Amino acid sequence: DAGVTQSPTHLIKTRGQQVTLRCSPKSGHDTVSWYQQALGQGPQFIFQYYEEEERQRGNFPDRFSGHQFPNYSSELNVNALLLGDSALYLCASSSRAEIQETQYFGPGTRLLVL
Amino acid sequence: SQKIEQNSEALNIQEGKTATLTCNYTNYSPAYLQWYRQDPGRGPVFLLLIRENEKEKRKERLKVTFDTTLKQSLFHITASQPADSATYLCALDKRYRDDKIIFGKGTRLHILP
Repeated sequence: DAGVTQSPTHLIKTRGQQVTLRCSPKSGHDTVSWYQQALGQGPQFIFQYYEEEERQRGNFPDRFSGHQFPNYSSELNVNALLLGDSALYLCASSSRAEIQETQYFGPGTRLLVL
Repeated sequence: SQKIEQNSEALNIQEGKTATLTCNYTNYSPAYLQWYRQDPGRGPVFLLLIRENEKEKRKERLKVTFDTTLKQSLFHITASQPADSATYLCALDKRYRDDKIIFGKGTRLHILP
């Protein structure tokens, strides 16, 4: 059983560019959350998708957008990249059927904006 | 605003001793509190979850306590080993479905051989 997978593993972009990160949830999971983790910080919640809709959103600007597909996989898009967007982007999946909705994280995508 | 603090950025513990990490929070009433382990460049790995009505939870060498009056959780690793060296994150879990999970900054634990 594959866990949460993310692609790409590393990415280098320049300011102003756009980036798309991808996530496949753990088998049996229907909910995907995205987090941004800056160096030395804890993960910061960006948003969560369930049933192909954004259900919750953290304090991130509209430059951050996402999508969930019918197979539950998800994309995170970031437009007009800033230097401060350099971080590890984590995807976590969970199941709404579970009372506790324990999250399983992927390995992350390391984004560097130059 | 909701705040979650982990006691220190880094903790050095001698191998074989018990490591104790602290997580304090304010302006929040979580239904659950979770602890994760994170190795450098990797995603967090879920370790333990404790509910608000549970005082203590154990899993092998790990023990978590949850005091909703003090708004504090303690995470213990007994008989610590160098392989336990990692960053440990606590996270406040939602009471209501639309609440967001909030992570602390983490504590870097070094187990010295």
